[in-house]
Amino acid sequence: LAKTTQPISMDSYEGQEVNITCSHNNIATNDYITWYQQFPSQGPRFIIQGYKTKVTNEVASLFIPADRKSSTLSLPRVSLSDTAVYYCLVGDMDSNYQLIWGAGTKLIIKP
Amino acid sequence: NAGVTQTPKFQVLKTGQSMTLQCAQDMNHEYMSWYRQDPGMGLRLIHYSVGAGITDQGEVPNGYNVSRSTTEDFPLRLLSAAPSQTSVYFCASSYLGGQNSPLHFGNGTRLTVT
Repeated sequence: LAKTTQPISMDSYEGQEVNITCSHNNIATNDYITWYQQFPSQGPRFIIQGYKTKVTNEVASLFIPADRKSSTLSLPRVSLSDTAVYYCLVGDMDSNYQLIWGAGTKLIIKP
Repeated sequence: NAGVTQTPKFQVLKTGQSMTLQCAQDMNHEYMSWYRQDPGMGLRLIHYSVGAGITDQGEVPNGYNVSRSTTEDFPLRLLSAAPSQTSVYFCASSYLGGQNSPLHFGNGTRLTVT
């Protein structure tokens, strides 16, 4: 049973800010929200993780509203190399092997 | 730092053959796991291990065996390959529990069963 819902695909242009929203209506109290990025012929790569409010690192920001029923991954000033599939997952950090992976969002960046 | 290393990168098997997919990590991670990824789909968990000598089944374990004799290695065995096992297989590892323990993935093994 999928715990998250994301758009199947998105397009944007180089230099733009891209926001990908994920819905997780049944998120549990102990669940964290984690985003991964996957390029063709590679394994997924961790981008960012958060529990509430806002988290920022060198590559992205993650915005989580107070009810935690959704989250938004924000990629600032994207480039062609950001073309990839992005996965949103929720799960208890003490049992991350129970994460359920959806089909992700295929992001295509155009010149 | 090698991270998670998977071998081979590509493999073609005939139906009924057996083989072992290798996975090794050099980060001293307790947790290791195997996933399969089919076209247009997310990853599905096959088996996982929370430490040497401990393994458990994931979402799609049938047709696969695992063992964990050392912290570093977590091989996946296909006992009798079937065309339905054509897929890309990913091995992943992480520290156990707590925040900031993301999964580290290898670059996958692309398996074709004819």
